[in-house]
Order: sequence, then structure tokens, then C-alpha cells
Amino acid sequence: GAGVSQSPSNKVTEKGKDVELRCDPISGHTALYWYRQSLGQGLEFLIYFQGNSAPDKSGLPSDRFSAERTGGSVSTLTIQRTQQEDSAVYLCASSSTGLAGEGETQYFGPGTRLLVL
Amino acid sequence: AQSVTQLDSHVSVSEGTPVLLRCNYSSSYSPSLFWYVQHPNKGLQLLLKYTSAATLVKGINGFEAEFKKSETSFHLTKPSAHMSDAAEYFCVVSPGYSTLTFGKGTMLLVSP
Repeated sequence: GAGVSQSPSNKVTEKGKDVELRCDPISGHTALYWYRQSLGQGLEFLIYFQGNSAPDKSGLPSDRFSAERTGGSVSTLTIQRTQQEDSAVYLCASSSTGLAGEGETQYFGPGTRLLVL
Repeated sequence: AQSVTQLDSHVSVSEGTPVLLRCNYSSSYSPSLFWYVQHPNKGLQLLLKYTSAATLVKGINGFEAEFKKSETSFHLTKPSAHMSDAAEYFCVVSPGYSTLTFGKGTMLLVSP
């Protein structure tokens, strides 16, 4: 079946502009995650959605970052007033029920490569 | 807090020789541990996972890892490297209910 898809695959923007990154999880997966992969920081957790519950935003680096998940499916990560340090690959993942602590597999999308000039 | 440390940023092997990628974890209780692989310009793919069942875990493409509680280690091994194994490998722990904490990654280089 279809895996996790993300769009766009690449995004170049100017400092100060807002960007929106999209994630389509695997159909039927209730849990959705955003991670950021950058040269200096490695792979970092950003935000986690589980069904209709309030999201876990504990990994968001600043209030310029926000995300929503509409209808329990598609998610959009928004970065406002982008800065050069936001340049990274943004990865989305989904899992069936959100039980990574019990070994549930997270399936990752190919990522969106963001470059802020 | 749970964390993982990958002891080598780069490992170089020759094709046909064994692979050893080292990972140590820190956890206050029995964790779930994973190894993911990322090929160039590709997404992350799960290689294998440990979930407190068998301590020797077999994964895809001939990889396996052994959970050693006494050494707090979860090293990844493969008896014979292939050129196609060249990629970046991440040791991962689940620090809480749902999220993942990644190690810094080990780049595996395979020479002919």
C-alpha cells in the first residue's frame, strides 16, 4: 500500500517568509509525528498527534513553529518568519496506534528539504 | 531521561567483511530500541527492533542486534557487508509513550 508522502520534496524560501509543509500519513494510522533532521542537531522530535487528542508540542523549537492535523489525517507544519537556522530536512512519520514505547514501528516519509536563504 | 549514544560517526569496511555499529543506551527502565537505516536521498527504514522479548533480534538484509542489559548496549552487526549496505544508520530509543529519540547516526562506508 501507499506509504507516508510529503510535499513539497524541496522548498527554497527567503528569510522572513512563511512556509507550509504537508504530510499524508498511511491510511488508518492514528498517530502522526514530525521530526527535523539538520547537520548540527541530528534528528529531533518536533510534534506528535494522536487521533483527536491535543498534540504533544514539546519538541517545537520556538513559537514560530506550529502544526495542525485536519480530520485526523493530513497534517501541515507551518514555519512563520523563517530563519536560516530553520534550514533542514523535515520528516513526517505515522504509526498505527502511537505506542513507540512498546516497540510499534513508525513509518517515515521521504522528507521535505527546506533551504532558507 | 532516555538517550542513545552511537560510538562511531563513521565506520569503513570492505565488501564481504563483518559490520559492527555500536550503540549504548541510557534508560531508567527496559526500553524499546530500534535501528533505522537511511540511504542517500531516501527515507528512514526500520531495520529491526527490540521490545523485551528475545535479546537477539534479527532484522532485514541480514542485520541483527543483541540487547545486553548489563552493558546497556544494542550493537548492530552483519556477517558480510554488501556495497548496498552503504548508508547512515541510526540507533533509536523510545523515551516515553510514543516518541523516538535518535542517536547522531553512523555512516557506513563499504569499499570494493
